[in-house]
Amino acid sequence: EVQLVESGGGLVKPGGSLRLSCAASGFTFSSYSMNWVRQAPGKGLEWVSSISSSSSYIYYADSVKGRFTISRDNAKNSLYLQMNSLRAEDTAVYYCARAIAAAGTGEDYWGQGTLVTVSS
Amino acid sequence: DIQMTQSPSSLSASVGDRVTITCQASQDISNYLNWYQQKPGKAPKLLIYDASNLETGVPSRFSGSGSGTDFTFTISSLQPEDIATYYCQQYDNLPPLFGGGTKVEIK
Repeated sequence: EVQLVESGGGLVKPGGSLRLSCAASGFTFSSYSMNWVRQAPGKGLEWVSSISSSSSYIYYADSVKGRFTISRDNAKNSLYLQMNSLRAEDTAVYYCARAIAAAGTGEDYWGQGTLVTVSS
Repeated sequence: DIQMTQSPSSLSASVGDRVTITCQASQDISNYLNWYQQKPGKAPKLLIYDASNLETGVPSRFSGSGSGTDFTFTISSLQPEDIATYYCQQYDNLPPLFGGGTKVEIK
């Protein structure tokens, strides 16, 4: 059974940093591109970032480019999102999701999400 | 960026009704479109990929159609467990933007 478990969310002040982690199991992690998608409270879904299986291709939404860094460790079956210079508008539930195919092609399995709140 | 216009933003229907949601892309995206279901407090779930392919395990009352710029998602007979918000998503180009969502309620 495919499982994705996010961790690392919490309350952080504007300008602060946070690192999200996603532990994957139940599939060959190193064969799949992975994504981060977020959802602000009461709002719709927003794609944040994608990384290919070997980390060769990395993409970001314009809203986070230069502030967020996606990475993965295939030996540890883990996906990460380093978030710096956080803003109030980054407040959201962050989902780790497996890409259907190549990076940016949509998501077939999702984690339960981790809440990031940016507030003073 | 390719914009996705989803409508309606909400609807109310009776159990057993046929429900239709539309999604329009701002440019031709071929069949590079997914549909997701999100129940309150839960993560989204993939229902339809490549515009019309049913994800494994998804009930056959869900279907999708369309290509180019105009797409349709249909629930042939609405069930109480279908109460959720539904999103389309294009993946022809990055960023893979989602539509604004359609909240489906029972009348």
